[in-house]
Amino acid sequence: KQEVTQIPAALSVPEGENLVLNCSFTDSAIYNLQWFRQDPGKGLTSLLLIQSSQREQTSGRLNASLDKSSGRSTLYIAASQPGDSATYLCAVKSGGSNYKLTFGKGTLLTVNP
Amino acid sequence: GAGVSQSPSNKVTEKGKDVELRCDPISGHTALYWYRQSLGQGLEFLIYFQGNSAPDKSGLPSDRFSAERTGGSVSTLTIQRTQQEDSAVYLCASSRTGDETQYFGPGTRLLVL
Repeated sequence: KQEVTQIPAALSVPEGENLVLNCSFTDSAIYNLQWFRQDPGKGLTSLLLIQSSQREQTSGRLNASLDKSSGRSTLYIAASQPGDSATYLCAVKSGGSNYKLTFGKGTLLTVNP
Repeated sequence: GAGVSQSPSNKVTEKGKDVELRCDPISGHTALYWYRQSLGQGLEFLIYFQGNSAPDKSGLPSDRFSAERTGGSVSTLTIQRTQQEDSAVYLCASSRTGDETQYFGPGTRLLVL
């Protein structure tokens, strides 16, 4: 059974700092890995999707890497802003299923002005 | 364009009552998913629809939970004889054929008293 773990559970940083969020998964036979953002009282917004054959994806100040063999992914946020404050969720698609996502519990990020 | 919508946004019910949660996916999206997010827990997969068929109901926690989808569009998740442990945010997502990304709605917050 696939299990996804995110560390840290919460992170507080001053504005402008670069930061890294970590995600690990137990079954390396994944189709892809996605990073989502969840704002309070709202649904999830997809940030980056990395296919199993890819090593990284970039979008603006966000960079996500994937090391499938070691079961790890990182989300790097450059020059953090207060508007980046949210819960960041990592999810993997795996287990013979091409649709089911297994989520971590998320990292609650607070960027202080 | 319009995103995934869910109704109601909030629902308070008494233990033992039945509830229906509705999801309107993005127009043209053939796949629809239901997830549950309980306090302190990650999102857990409930059920997946491809068109009107549900090839995977493995995530439904008990036979009190059921879901249907009609016309390849709207889906309803029904919880019968609600229990306090059913209290959670129920999230719906949809995706189109050939697109890995799942687009999430804002969720329905269910509180069972």
